[in-house]
Amino acid sequence: DSGVTQTPKHLITATGQRVTLRCSPRSGDLSVYWYQQSLDQGLQFLIQYYNGEERAKGNILERFSAQQFPDLHSELNLSSLELGDSALYFCASSASPGTGSEAFFGQGTRLTVV
Amino acid sequence: QQPVQSPQAVILREGEDAVINCSSSKALYSVHWYRQKHGEAPVFLMILLKGGEQKGHEKISASFNEKKQQSSLYLTASQLSYSGTYFCGTGSPNTGNQFYFGTGTSLTVIP
Repeated sequence: DSGVTQTPKHLITATGQRVTLRCSPRSGDLSVYWYQQSLDQGLQFLIQYYNGEERAKGNILERFSAQQFPDLHSELNLSSLELGDSALYFCASSASPGTGSEAFFGQGTRLTVV
Repeated sequence: QQPVQSPQAVILREGEDAVINCSSSKALYSVHWYRQKHGEAPVFLMILLKGGEQKGHEKISASFNEKKQQSSLYLTASQLSYSGTYFCGTGSPNTGNQFYFGTGTSLTVIP
């Protein structure tokens, strides 16, 4: 158990809909990363937050947005969903704002868009 | 911006050794290595922070050549439990805090 909690574990929704994925980081970690992993593909970096502020942005679509709340949990919002958005979405947390400390991954949310 | 890993896939017999390489087109600040079993979360193996740093973890070790912007993961006397996809992750001062994972290397260990 990495200490990172993601909910829900599975999500099935229709095209055009909007969903929210939730991530609670490990106790004490201020940094949260979001990644998308399509079937048998690599991990695509979406966005990073540190202590409530957006820190780095990767290949995140405009239809996607995220935020980190004062209690440090983070949410990833996906809207106007398309079939191609079906993927595993992971969040990871780490102690530092940079890339100098290890990241711990949650078990992921499997999103299926039908 | 995504680091490139080689080989893409490798099949080993138990007890054999393997090397996985990770190359970046950008200067690197850190290199992380993770292993992911199918359908599971990536699990941290090790992090290298300095050029030339080498680390070991049981029979898995890694090196980081900052000048060449490369890292290598060494697996010796492989065990069945080593099977999975290995990803390197890199942080570069040129990309702020963006943290990119490599293309992945699928490793299968057979009896």
